[in-house]
Amino acid sequence: EVQLVQSGAEVKKPGESLKISCKGSGYSFTTYWIAWVRQMPGKGLEWMGIIYPGDSDNRYTTYSPSFQGQVTMSADKSITTAYLQWSSLRASDTAMYYCVRTYTSASPFDYWGQGTLVTVSS
Amino acid sequence: EIVLTQSPGTLSLSPGERATLSCRASQSVTSSYLAWYQQKPGQAPRLLIYGASSRATGIPDRFSGSGSGTDFTVTISRLEPEDFAVYYCQQYGSSPRTFGGGTKVEIK
Repeated sequence: EVQLVQSGAEVKKPGESLKISCKGSGYSFTTYWIAWVRQMPGKGLEWMGIIYPGDSDNRYTTYSPSFQGQVTMSADKSITTAYLQWSSLRASDTAMYYCVRTYTSASPFDYWGQGTLVTVSS
Repeated sequence: EIVLTQSPGTLSLSPGERATLSCRASQSVTSSYLAWYQQKPGQAPRLLIYGASSRATGIPDRFSGSGSGTDFTVTISRLEPEDFAVYYCQQYGSSPRTFGGGTKVEIK
C-alpha cells in the first residue's frame, strides 16, 4: 500500500526555524517525484514546488515563484523521506502542508500525505 | 503562470441531482494536463480525474471529465451523499503548477 506519512503538528513562534517530513512507503521512492502543497486556513490549494528524491544532491528541485527563497525542499532517499523547511517562520506561514506523490514533474498528484498543520504565533 | 478560474463558487444541489463544475484557464493547458481533486472537511484532497477525462483508480463512473484547451468540466451524474465536498482543478503541464480556487458542492 502506497503511503505518505507526514510529521505531526507544529506550533512555533515567528522567526523560528522548522523542518517537517514526509515518509514514503509501499512504492519505489526514487521513481516518483514529491511535491508540496499549502492550504491556508479556509483557503484553497497552492503548489509550492517539487523535488526528485532519486538525486542525492537534490539538484532536481523547482519552486513556485511565490515560494522561491521562502522554503527549502530536500529529500533523503536512504530513509525514503522528503522534507520542507523554513529558516525563519512568519505568522503568514500558518497553514496545512501536504506532501504529494507524482510520477513525473508533469503528472497529476496521485497520493497525498495526511498533512502537517503548522501554526506560527507569538 | 496559468490562472485557473472555477465556477460556480458554490453549487447547492440535492442528492440524485446532476452537478456540472467548470474550470477555465487563462491560456491553453498543455496536452490537456488537467486534473480534478475532491476534498472533504478535515481530509487531504484525492485525485478524481487526470488528463482532463480519465478517472483515477477507484473513482466511480458517475464522475466524468471533459474539455480541452482552456475550458474543462467535471460532471457528477447523480450526486451521492458522499459527493458533497470541495472540488479543485489543477493544471500540471506548465510550471508553476496551479490550482483553481475551488467549487463547493453543498446539500440544498
